[in-house]
Amino acid sequence: QPVLTQSSSASASLGSSVKLTCSLSSGHSTYIIAWHQQQPGEAPRSLMKVERSGNYNKGSGVPDRFSGSSSGADRYLTISNLQSEDEADYYCETWDTNTRVFGGGTKLTVL
Amino acid sequence: EVQLLESGGGLVQPGESLRLSCAASGLTFSGYAMTWVRQAPGKGLEWVSSISGSTANTYYVDSVRGRFTISRDNSKSTLYLQMSSLRAEDTATYYCARLVGGGGIDYWGQGTLVTVSS
Repeated sequence: QPVLTQSSSASASLGSSVKLTCSLSSGHSTYIIAWHQQQPGEAPRSLMKVERSGNYNKGSGVPDRFSGSSSGADRYLTISNLQSEDEADYYCETWDTNTRVFGGGTKLTVL
Repeated sequence: EVQLLESGGGLVQPGESLRLSCAASGLTFSGYAMTWVRQAPGKGLEWVSSISGSTANTYYVDSVRGRFTISRDNSKSTLYLQMSSLRAEDTATYYCARLVGGGGIDYWGQGTLVTVSS
């Protein structure tokens, strides 16, 4: 089954941009992934799906500041013009026929 | 607007059972596969189980297979998770979520906390 690897933490300044990475394990580089945001004390919220091609499909209400991209086995979430409310945990998710997996999550700190 | 509302969590002793429910509204429930995801305190997300929309195929993570049973009542737009032989390591907030066509989660519930402790 696929394995997703994320950095445990990231930080960036208010108003700047940050690019979070989700890496698919060997043999699974073609998989679609989904990004989810979890603000402190809240339930997760779905942000988007990112395909191998780099095409991404955002959920309703997700700000334009959020975008996705892809390179090889890596899938990215880029947040532009960082706001204080973007400080959160970000998880990637993928799935196979009878299973689904999450990355360990990246804790984003907005400085 | 899609809404998923979990209930049924609480404090139970090891070895006991508990049934979680997830009431769905704002969607044609039978048209969607659904899933349960849990999060232990201070930890990341862990997939628990999924069920298809109408054919009721079910899938489980190895750590709960044989102890947990996922089911659904499409007439009531409700998803269930029957949990038995509960262990301390099952302590977590349990979220139900909708699976969009193609596989990913697109809507999450607010979660219900299950605590297994003597």
